[in-house]
Amino acid sequence: EIVMTQSPATLSVSPGERATLSCRASQSVSSNLAWYQQKPGQAPRLLIYGASTRATGIPARFSGSGSGTEFTLTISSLQSEDFAVYYCQQYNNWPPVYTFGQGTKLEIK
Amino acid sequence: EVQLVESGGGLVKPGGSLRLSCAASGFTFSSYSMNWVRQAPGKGLEWVSSISSSSSYIYYADSVKGRFTISRDNAKNSLYLQMNSLRAEDTAVYYCARGPLAPSPFDYWGQGTLVTVSS
Repeated sequence: EIVMTQSPATLSVSPGERATLSCRASQSVSSNLAWYQQKPGQAPRLLIYGASTRATGIPARFSGSGSGTEFTLTISSLQSEDFAVYYCQQYNNWPPVYTFGQGTKLEIK
Repeated sequence: EVQLVESGGGLVKPGGSLRLSCAASGFTFSSYSMNWVRQAPGKGLEWVSSISSSSSYIYYADSVKGRFTISRDNAKNSLYLQMNSLRAEDTAVYYCARGPLAPSPFDYWGQGTLVTVSS
């Protein structure tokens, strides 16, 4: 099983500043990496897929990068609505065995 | 508008069974793979099971293999999860999620239904 490790567990950032979240895979997942945002009491929302492609309706301040085993989600200028938990997910296996990172909580500093 | 609405959650005793449903609308259900993902209280996301558009391919996480059965009815635009031999560690919010073509990310999610396994 591919293990996804996110860091840090919690990130404190002020509104308007940049946030950088990391995700590492235990083996290469190529670019088959997605990022999700989850707010309290809500379902996850797809932000990024293919490591760097924004999903429909996602603002340009969200960007993804990386390939292989190292990935980054960057939020360029934090808005109040961006404070949430973020998960990475790999979808590289066949047959599919999807695995998620443990999440990074982005909180207001 | 894509909508996924789960139902069927509730309180069940260890060893018991429960059947979850997910009603889909706003897209051509029969063209998409579908998935179940769960989230234990205060914990992260765990993929549970996937089913291809025509039910030809079905996959399970090791943690539920042999106990859970995924199925779908394309005529009813519905996805199901039959859960047997439930354990306390199955307690979670269960989400259904759409995946265009396995393996793929999950682009739309329902709001989830809570399953509590407790005596």
